Amino acid sequence: EVQVLESGGGLVQPGGSLRLSCAASGFTFSTYAMGWVRQAPGKGLEWVSVISGSGGSTHYADSVKGRFTISRDDSKNTLYLQMNSLRVEDTAIYYCAKGLRISLYFDYWGQGTLVTVSS
Amino acid sequence: DIQMTQSPSSLSASIGDRVTITCQASQDITNYLSWYHQKPGKAPKLLIFDASNLETGVPSRFSGSGSGTDFTFTISSLQPEDIGTYYCQQYDNLPLTFGGGTKVDIK
Repeated sequence: EVQVLESGGGLVQPGGSLRLSCAASGFTFSTYAMGWVRQAPGKGLEWVSVISGSGGSTHYADSVKGRFTISRDDSKNTLYLQMNSLRVEDTAIYYCAKGLRISLYFDYWGQGTLVTVSS
Repeated sequence: DIQMTQSPSSLSASIGDRVTITCQASQDITNYLSWYHQKPGKAPKLLIFDASNLETGVPSRFSGSGSGTDFTFTISSLQPEDIGTYYCQQYDNLPLTFGGGTKVDIK
């Protein structure tokens, strides 16, 4: 059974940093793209970042480029999102999602982890 | 960036009704479109990919159609468990973009 489970969310002050983790199981992690999608309170879905299988390429939304870094450790079946210079507008539930080998839709999603940026 | 315009933004329908949601892309995305359902307080769930392919395990009352810029999502007979918000997503180009969502509830 495919599972993805996020952790690492919490309350952080503006300008602070946080690292999210996503533990995956039930599939050959290294061969699939993985992504992060966020949802601000009461709002719709916003794509954040994606990394290809084996980490060869990474892509970011303009809203987080230069501040967030996506990475993966295929030996641990774990995806990460390092978030620096956090802003109030980064407050959201962050979902980890499994992509496909080639296509970038998401067939499995975690339950989400809440990041709150507030002073 | 490709803009995805979903309509309506909300709808109320009776059990057994046929429900239709549209999604329009700002440029040709071929058939690189997926549909998701998000129940309140839960993560999104994939229903349709490549515009018209039903994800494994998804009930056959859900269907999708379209290509190019205009897409349609249909629930043939609305059930109580179908309440929530539906989103389209294009994956033809980065950045990946979602429609604004359609909130469905029971009349």
